[in-house]
Amino acid sequence: EAGVAQSPRYKIIEKRQSVAFWCNPISGHATLYWYQQILGQGPKLLIQFQNNGVVDDSQLPKDRFSAERLKGVDSTLKIQPAKLEDSAVYLCASSSFQTSGPSYEQYFGPGTRLTVT
Amino acid sequence: TQLLEQSPQFLSIQEGENLTVYCNSSSVFSSLQWYRQEPGEGPVLLVTVVTGGEVKKLKRLTFQFGDARKDSSLHITAAQPGDTGLYLCAGGPYYVPGNQFYFGTGTSLTVIP
Repeated sequence: EAGVAQSPRYKIIEKRQSVAFWCNPISGHATLYWYQQILGQGPKLLIQFQNNGVVDDSQLPKDRFSAERLKGVDSTLKIQPAKLEDSAVYLCASSSFQTSGPSYEQYFGPGTRLTVT
Repeated sequence: TQLLEQSPQFLSIQEGENLTVYCNSSSVFSSLQWYRQEPGEGPVLLVTVVTGGEVKKLKRLTFQFGDARKDSSLHITAAQPGDTGLYLCAGGPYYVPGNQFYFGTGTSLTVIP
């Protein structure tokens, strides 16, 4: 079974530029997450999709970050314009849909390391 | 405000030593997960504990969920260099659309050969 794919793996941009990340989840996984991970810290959820609908985007800085999952499969996360503090690893994860029960397993991609100079 | 605090934040030990990592919260969780993350990779799930007081073993790793479901611990026996990585706990509610999954602050473990 193929894992979660992300691209690019690395990106270096100057502040005020734009950048986009792509994620392809595990086939059949209805739920997709984007996390931001600052070096040495735990991941912070930015946005959660259920199929092509947004479930939670309460911690997404909407003035500069946007994300979409138009066909309910792959997803893009965009930053425009980037700031120095956006330097981090951006992780995509997916999980299968559950309506109840204990928390489910999330499968993570390798991440995109963004450096803003 | 960090919902899940891990301690210690950094740990460097010699091969063969034992260690314990703690994950604490003032909130109650329905389940607690432990992940290990290696440099340049995403976190990989090690275990999920769902019952208060539950103990699970995975080879040399022992995971415990506190009776009150507010804390958890990870104990590694006879650590090996391959155990090196960032250990993350994550607390989750019963799955309800919109409920967030919270990660801890992380413990960076280095095992020296």
